[in-house]
Amino acid sequence: EAGVAQSPRYKIIEKRQSVAFWCNPISGHATLYWYQQILGQGPKLLIQFQNNGVVDDSQLPKDRFSAERLKGVDSTLKIQPAKLEDSAVYLCASSLATWRGQETQYFGPGTRLLVL
Amino acid sequence: GENVEQHPSTLSVQEGDSAVIKCTYSDSASNYFPWYKQELGKRPQLIIDIRSNVGEKKDQRIAVTLNKTAKHFSLHITETQPEDSAVYFCAASRRAGNMLTFGGGTRLMVKP
Repeated sequence: EAGVAQSPRYKIIEKRQSVAFWCNPISGHATLYWYQQILGQGPKLLIQFQNNGVVDDSQLPKDRFSAERLKGVDSTLKIQPAKLEDSAVYLCASSLATWRGQETQYFGPGTRLLVL
Repeated sequence: GENVEQHPSTLSVQEGDSAVIKCTYSDSASNYFPWYKQELGKRPQLIIDIRSNVGEKKDQRIAVTLNKTAKHFSLHITETQPEDSAVYFCAASRRAGNMLTFGGGTRLMVKP
């Protein structure tokens, strides 16, 4: 099956600029996750969607980060304005569902963001 | 919230030896514990997971053990091979599909 797709793969911007990332989950996967992975650290969940509804966004810095999944399929994550500390890899993941046996999260290749 | 500690941060073994990576978690309500392998510049990939109603799970050369009382779980890799070299992450969540909290990662190097 096709995996999780993300674009762009790399992005370099200056601080205070805006940037957007796109994710296309595995077909049929209801749950979609956005993670931030800072170099040398484990991924940190930013937001979780179930279809087009937000399940958890407690760790999303809402003053500058926003995300949407309007039709319950593709998702976009936006940073506006970007700060130096936002430099990281942004990983999108999806799972078939959230209940037992269907919860495996499959990750996309990530978008590597560098803020100068 | 949940906090997951992972040790060691780096581990170097000779090919054929065993490798053990340990994680502790803080939330006693956590009941789902996956392990991911991430090669340099690649995406994390699930290698094995365990639920709190099971004490041990094996898949060929990989095994995971869970001690709910002590709130720790471990990854065991036997007969290591150079292609096992990667960063390994443990994670925990309160229920399957709920938000995963990841450990800091262990860089495993298998020397031929």
